Amino acid sequence: QVQLQESGPGLVKPSQTLSLTCTVSGGSISSGSSYWSWIRQPAGKGLEWIGRIYASGSTNYNPSLQSRVTISVDTSKNQFSLQLTSVTAADTAVYYCARDGAYCGGGLCFFDYWGQGTLVTVSS
Amino acid sequence: DIQMTQSPSSLSASVGDRVTITCRASQSISSYLNWYQQKPGKAPKLLIYTTSTLQSGVPSRFSGSGSGTDFTLTISRLQPEDFATYYCQQSYSPLYSFGQGTRLEIK
Repeated sequence: QVQLQESGPGLVKPSQTLSLTCTVSGGSISSGSSYWSWIRQPAGKGLEWIGRIYASGSTNYNPSLQSRVTISVDTSKNQFSLQLTSVTAADTAVYYCARDGAYCGGGLCFFDYWGQGTLVTVSS
Repeated sequence: DIQMTQSPSSLSASVGDRVTITCRASQSISSYLNWYQQKPGKAPKLLIYTTSTLQSGVPSRFSGSGSGTDFTLTISRLQPEDFATYYCQQSYSPLYSFGQGTRLEIK
């Protein structure tokens, strides 16, 4: 059973960089053809996909966030990470990490495992 | 970018009702449409992938249909545990996008 766990600071100051890590257990981050995504949800609002990474390091980002987002992977630690720069109050949200299916490809991708989510508040 | 639009945004129904939620894509996404259920304070849960395939463990009262730009999620006989928010998501483009959500409330 694959499990994901987000970790990182719960409070970030405006203009600084938000950094989160997702630790994967119960399976290798390099196995199959999985992509690994970050998704966020402001309080009372909908889901916003941030970006995804493959074990090789290949990435895709939401165009609306691309200039501020970096997702990286550390296969030796079975982790992937999110960095979001120049944050504002609008970046306050619950951040989820998720797996894009065991064999994501050709559109056959879906978020089958999720972390519990971590609340990040941007405030001075 | 592919925009996903759900309707209605909210819906009131009773236990035992049949309900349908619609999701429309701004361009054809073939059958690459997924549905999630989210309860308050919890991570979303995958219900259906590629339009109509039920994720393991999901009750058969949930079903999905559609193709191209128009898709539906149907719950045939609402149970108390089905009252939640539902999201569609396209995976046709590697730049994923979600619908804005449909909140299903008890009447």
